[in-house]
Amino acid sequence: GAGVSQSPRYKVAKRGQDVALRCDPISGHVSLFWYQQALGQGPEFLTYFQNEAQLDKSGLPSDRFFAERPEGSVSTLKIQRTQQEDSAVYLCASSENRVQPQHFGDGTRLSIL
Amino acid sequence: AQKITQTQPGMFVQEKEAVTLDCTYDTSDQSYGLFWYKQPSSGEMIFLIYQGSYDEQNATEGRYSLNFQKARKSANLVISASQLGDSAMYFCAMREGFTGSARQLTFGSGTQLTVLP
Repeated sequence: GAGVSQSPRYKVAKRGQDVALRCDPISGHVSLFWYQQALGQGPEFLTYFQNEAQLDKSGLPSDRFFAERPEGSVSTLKIQRTQQEDSAVYLCASSENRVQPQHFGDGTRLSIL
Repeated sequence: AQKITQTQPGMFVQEKEAVTLDCTYDTSDQSYGLFWYKQPSSGEMIFLIYQGSYDEQNATEGRYSLNFQKARKSANLVISASQLGDSAMYFCAMREGFTGSARQLTFGSGTQLTVLP
């Protein structure tokens, strides 16, 4: 497809489990972002990649959160030892470069029981 | 201090009428960009319109226009001729600076727009 693709669309996990969320950006987009959106709030920045380089991870809430983009295309956000406060929608966005608008995927709704 | 403030949690508008969604921002950068996104109940964030801080004219995209008042630090979204499909959450966002590596957006808390038939 032409847009940003995220999977799974929904994920339910028990507290303490590890989860992995996938983002497939628009082909050729250099910049890739992850955001976390709590219910009723605007998205909040987690981390940024330029190609395969993670240039900013200042928004990651704890060392349980880890993101990678090894070949400069698909990215994975991993959350270890999940907690209930990790329940949120995780949005991935990509853009052609640092100036162009970001285009978002549909998000992964994560629920931690 | 909030970088992006959207003071209207909810707005109602009659179909075919125009509506203005408010957004004020706070930054010390001279170069910045302002964005509006639409988020339907399905969850996808849809890019609507962009205004650069150095743009002299207000941005327009179809039925969307951005009322940019730099001195007042406001970037209101105007939707003309509202349609039922415009019912959604609308977010104002800012990207600060043209230097450095980070290009993340800072979002406001959103305005839920409901278009009435």
